[in-house]
Amino acid sequence: AQSVTQPDIHITVSEGASLELRCNYSYGATPYLFWYVQSPGQGLQLLLKYFSGDTLVQGIKGFEAEFKRSQSSFNLRKPSVHWSDAAEYFCAVGAINFGNEKLTFGTGTRLTIIP
Amino acid sequence: EAGVTQFPSHSVIEKGQTVTLRCDPISGHDNLYWYRRVMGKEIKFLLHFVKESKQDESGMPNNRFLAERTGGTYSTLKVQPAELEDSGVYFCASSQVGFEAFFGQGTRLTVV
Repeated sequence: AQSVTQPDIHITVSEGASLELRCNYSYGATPYLFWYVQSPGQGLQLLLKYFSGDTLVQGIKGFEAEFKRSQSSFNLRKPSVHWSDAAEYFCAVGAINFGNEKLTFGTGTRLTIIP
Repeated sequence: EAGVTQFPSHSVIEKGQTVTLRCDPISGHDNLYWYRRVMGKEIKFLLHFVKESKQDESGMPNNRFLAERTGGTYSTLKVQPAELEDSGVYFCASSQVGFEAFFGQGTRLTVV
């Protein structure tokens, strides 16, 4: 069965600093990978996804993620964070089992931005 | 275009009562998913509709949970009777094709 690990429960960074959120997955086949963000009072918003092709994926709000098959990782990065990036971030792997499609999420990483 | 809408946004009920959550997907989306996040844990899959049919309900915790999707449009998730461990945030998502799902704001359910 597939699984996702987000080792950092909470990260604090200064505004303007760079950011990297870690995500490791376990899945037997080629994974479909996603990053979602949940801002306070909001639903889950898709930041970016990887299905195939270029392993560096660009998303919305200036985020990018790199798929590394050898490390089973899909880390999320942003070169310079803004106060509005404070939110909870979820990595997910999409799996197809007997024609059924569903997402398996990590436990999330809460990001705090300090001035 | 309207997004996925969930009602209510919050619900506080007593143990043993019944609660019904509603999800209105994006118009035209055949796929509708329910997920749940218990506090501090990961978001977990509950079930998947394709139109009005249950494609996969392997994540439903027990038979106190009943999901329906009327005419392939909106969906309801009923918990009867509610237990303390049912507290959490229930998310609904919809998609036209597979994984690229759009999520609603979630319903925060508190059972006291």
